[in-house]
Amino acid sequence: GAVVSQHPSRVICKSGTSVKIECRSLDFQATTMFWYRQFPKQSLMLMATSNEGSKATYEQGVEKDKFLINHASLTLSTLTVTSAHPEDSSFYICSARAPGQDSSPLHFGNGTRLTVT
Amino acid sequence: GQQLNQSPQSMFIQEGEDVSMNCTSSSIFNTWLWYKQDPGEGPVLLIALYKAGELTSNGRLTAQFGITRKDSFLNISASIPSDVGIYFCAGQRWQGGKLIFGQGTELSVKP
Repeated sequence: GAVVSQHPSRVICKSGTSVKIECRSLDFQATTMFWYRQFPKQSLMLMATSNEGSKATYEQGVEKDKFLINHASLTLSTLTVTSAHPEDSSFYICSARAPGQDSSPLHFGNGTRLTVT
Repeated sequence: GQQLNQSPQSMFIQEGEDVSMNCTSSSIFNTWLWYKQDPGEGPVLLIALYKAGELTSNGRLTAQFGITRKDSFLNISASIPSDVGIYFCAGQRWQGGKLIFGQGTELSVKP
């Protein structure tokens, strides 16, 4: 089945620094990937839709200059949290769907636990 | 962002009992999905439903796509300790569209 890999699984950074999270589709090509954020005991909230070769589409209230998304290839999307602050500490999860399979369900990575100190 | 209404929020049951949880929405969805999330991991797909009225099973799990396309339920029969986790419903309005998630149901199973 479709496998999505995320790296790193957890990261601790100091306030003001930037952190990059990678999301890879391992056995399929993904023209579209999705980035979610999840706070403890809460549901997944979509942050942005990452489109290969074009700009990401951000959800309302998500700062595109703070959460930079780059989808440079069909198997890799990256999310960079710039100038991180403690309130950015969260669980970030990516997901992907194989191209041409709009009806297929999303498969999720294992998430990245970001802690900003 | 918009969320589906998922209930109950949490359940504490005895091993061997059956479990039922559901999601409702004020608007129509064309796809309903059920995921399970273990602590510190991403959601894992359990069941996908594509047609109103569809009833699909995956082992001890059974899910149905409501006939009105505004709701779905998930049943777990004969629960076991490894069923512990958070279950999320998710709806998709059109093919290729983004997923909207329910608030989750946290399941605890007492051996």
